[in-house]
Amino acid sequence: EAGVAQSPRYKIIEKRQSVAFWCNPISGHATLYWYQQILGQGPKLLIQFQNNGVVDDSQLPKDRFSAERLKGVDSTLKIQPAKLEDSAVYLCASTLQGPNTEAFFGQGTRLTVV
Amino acid sequence: GDSVTQMEGPVTLSEEAFLTINCTYTATGYPSLFWYVQYPGEGLQLLLKATKADDKGSNKGFEATYRKETTSFHLEKGSVQVSDSAVYFCALRGGSNYKLTFGKGTLLTVNP
Repeated sequence: EAGVAQSPRYKIIEKRQSVAFWCNPISGHATLYWYQQILGQGPKLLIQFQNNGVVDDSQLPKDRFSAERLKGVDSTLKIQPAKLEDSAVYLCASTLQGPNTEAFFGQGTRLTVV
Repeated sequence: GDSVTQMEGPVTLSEEAFLTINCTYTATGYPSLFWYVQYPGEGLQLLLKATKADDKGSNKGFEATYRKETTSFHLEKGSVQVSDSAVYFCALRGGSNYKLTFGKGTLLTVNP
């Protein structure tokens, strides 16, 4: 079974530039999460999709971050404009529907803002 | 809202030592509880889980028991190996939207 695919693996941009990350979840997984993991910290949930609808975006900085999940499959996360404090690893995860199912994570995208 | 608190690291042990990493949680209802592990240079992967009170999750010699009365899910291993060196994250999944919430992580280093 193919895992969660993310791209790119690494990205370096200057502050005030924009950047986009892409995630392809495991086939059939209805729930998709985007997390931000700052070095030395635990993953922080940015946004959660159920199929193509948003169910939680309470911690998403909506003035600069946006995300979509068209057709309930692939998802993109965008930052515009980026700030230095956005330097982090951005993780995508997917699960089957239901509370007891395991979340599968992609390898993440390491973003450095200079 | 839901939250997870796990013991601060880093934790450094010698091979074959006993490991405990404490984890407590705050949640409404009856969440599922997880331990995830992140080996150096790799992504997060599930180590074990428990879905209801008194359940014990186990994998690769690691164990954790879902204690509702103390809202805890401590990770234990009787004899650690160098290959267990990694960052360990306690997590819960709960609420009407099955939100997945993580603790801050505990770095474990096992020396030969």
